[in-house]
Amino acid sequence: QKEVEQDPGPLSVPEGAIVSLNCTYSNSAFQYFMWYRQYSRKGPELLMYTYSSGNKEDGRFTAQVDKSSKYISLFIRDSQPSDSATYLCAMRPSLTNNLFFGTGTRLTVIP
Amino acid sequence: NAGVTQTPKFRILKIGQSMTLQCTQDMNHNYMYWYRQDPGMGLKLIYYSVGAGITDKGEVPNGYNVSRSTTEDFPLRLELAAPSQTSVYFCASSYEGQAAAWPQHFGDGTRLSIL
Repeated sequence: QKEVEQDPGPLSVPEGAIVSLNCTYSNSAFQYFMWYRQYSRKGPELLMYTYSSGNKEDGRFTAQVDKSSKYISLFIRDSQPSDSATYLCAMRPSLTNNLFFGTGTRLTVIP
Repeated sequence: NAGVTQTPKFRILKIGQSMTLQCTQDMNHNYMYWYRQDPGMGLKLIYYSVGAGITDKGEVPNGYNVSRSTTEDFPLRLELAAPSQTSVYFCASSYEGQAAAWPQHFGDGTRLSIL
């Protein structure tokens, strides 16, 4: 079993839709949770960074962490064509700097 | 802000050749990392460094070497290139301290093909 599971998609939505991206994990020691956005031929760019359980909002983006279910989500409201990218979840325990990544979900927002 | 800078952006190598992938950061981060990204496989950690002079293996270190002589630079060396090392390589950096742990920031990658 992979430590981090992420549906690879691809996911295609119309402009203005609400997008839900999800990851599940198996290691209960994970404490820090991140979402990265990666455009084609670019490096991952940090979108959201949360510690432990709860919600965090930043503009059109909301990150949710449910540690009891070992499940994290990223919601994108009013999706735009510029949101078209691959979204990577990543997480790590508190006592190590090693990140564990999902395989990424490719999102296309159609104008 | 330059952030994390990787060179070269693209490279084609022949089997058995060697090369060094360069990475430099200007954020004064103490931690630096090398990952490889293969299609459908996510990012895998090759090596990391917690400061100048200190390096350690990640999940997939075989066939690679690293050094860290300064805070800013963290080169990755391939000694005998093999087709299995065809990949996109990303360098990242972060700050880790007793009171804070900040997320990793990535460069734009080096696309390497071994033929």
